[in-house]
Amino acid sequence: EDKVVQSPLSLVVHEGDTVTLNCSYEVTNFRSLLWYKQEKKAPTFLFMLTSSGIEKKSGRLSSILDKKELFSILNITATQTGDSAIYLCAVANAGNMLTFGGGTRLMVKP
Amino acid sequence: GAGVSQSPSNKVTEKGKDVELRCDPISGHTALYWYRQSLGQGLEFLIYFQGNSAPDKSGLPSDRFSAERTGGSVSTLTIQRTQQEDSAVYLCASSLVRPLGLDTQYFGPGTRLTVL
Repeated sequence: EDKVVQSPLSLVVHEGDTVTLNCSYEVTNFRSLLWYKQEKKAPTFLFMLTSSGIEKKSGRLSSILDKKELFSILNITATQTGDSAIYLCAVANAGNMLTFGGGTRLMVKP
Repeated sequence: GAGVSQSPSNKVTEKGKDVELRCDPISGHTALYWYRQSLGQGLEFLIYFQGNSAPDKSGLPSDRFSAERTGGSVSTLTIQRTQQEDSAVYLCASSLVRPLGLDTQYFGPGTRLTVL
């Protein structure tokens, strides 16, 4: 059974701090790992990672995948209150079926 | 069960046929969401149910799509006269809805729909 575990469950930081969110997985026939930001209803897509060691970057957010150790991290630098959200990690198998982790709730205080 | 369940896990149908996809949310979760996921990237929001409120249908792509939630629990997504572009993984999620909180959505395993 495919499994995705995220840590920490929740995190409270102050504006300007840097945070690292973790996602470990076990999946048969790995295809890709995806990060989403959930603020309101629908989670919004952040990154899709398919190759080890290649950092994807978008503004203050970056992510990297380690397919040998079966984990990914999502970094947010210089956090802002608008970064407060639940961050979801999901893994897609070869059949493109997604398994989601339980999410990390991030709260950024002014 | 402890998590969100969906059935069937796979559905292959012929173009023009109707299909029904089922979602059993986590017991006690008042919010239920349907999404569609194509080609391993973004989630496309379809519809949202919250308690007894009128559902938010703003994401339904056409009038061939409909959903209902009976008794505040199980939900069925119906696609009429299926088209090949309807082929995707359909995901259901449920959550609590707390007054101040941002509540984690718990996703089911999805139903893969293939329209031939």
